Amino acid sequence: AQSVSQHNHHVILSEAASLELGCNYSYGGTVNLFWYVQYPGQHLQLLLKYFSGDPLVKGIKGFEAEFIKSKFSFNLRKPSVQWSDTAEYFCASPMGAGNMLTFGGGTRLMVKP
Amino acid sequence: DTAVSQTPKYLVTQMGNDKSIKCEQNLGHDTMYWYKQDSKKFLKIMFSYNNKELIINETVPNRFSPKSPDKAHLNLHINSLELGDSAVYFCASSQSVNTEAFFGQGTRLTVV
Repeated sequence: AQSVSQHNHHVILSEAASLELGCNYSYGGTVNLFWYVQYPGQHLQLLLKYFSGDPLVKGIKGFEAEFIKSKFSFNLRKPSVQWSDTAEYFCASPMGAGNMLTFGGGTRLMVKP
Repeated sequence: DTAVSQTPKYLVTQMGNDKSIKCEQNLGHDTMYWYKQDSKKFLKIMFSYNNKELIINETVPNRFSPKSPDKAHLNLHINSLELGDSAVYFCASSQSVNTEAFFGQGTRLTVV
């Protein structure tokens, strides 16, 4: 079955540490991939997206993600995290009947000051 | 100018009641969605509505029904509420089915 999966459920980092959150998808054909962030008590906001072209995608707030087709991955990275990056991060892709935007299980990131 | 707005923000109700959550988007998007986020933050797609075509996640109970009076609105009706329906419900919209979605602020539903 088509799916998007995130293997890191909880990540705890100190400020200035580097971040990489995993995202894998399990389908072929055209791939559209997204990363969303949900700050505590808020709604989801788009961080970045990949449709085609350069596999290294730059997003807002210093985030980037790399699409690696051979690994079916779209990992999110940030070279130096801040306390304000504490949030829930979701990978997503349209899939299934009607190409509904489907989310991975999310990764809770806690950044210690 | 809120792009996707939901009302109410909080809803507390008793088991067995029927309730509705409203959603409106002013982005001119063609596709709207409803998601349920549980206490573990898992986001489950419930419905997708695009150009009068409704796509239903087969795992959603038929007590839940979306209604779209026009392209800018997708309301969620829930009949015979159960304790397990307690969650945060998010409405979202996108230009088309394959583009990024914009989310509303969410409605926290608590069934007691």
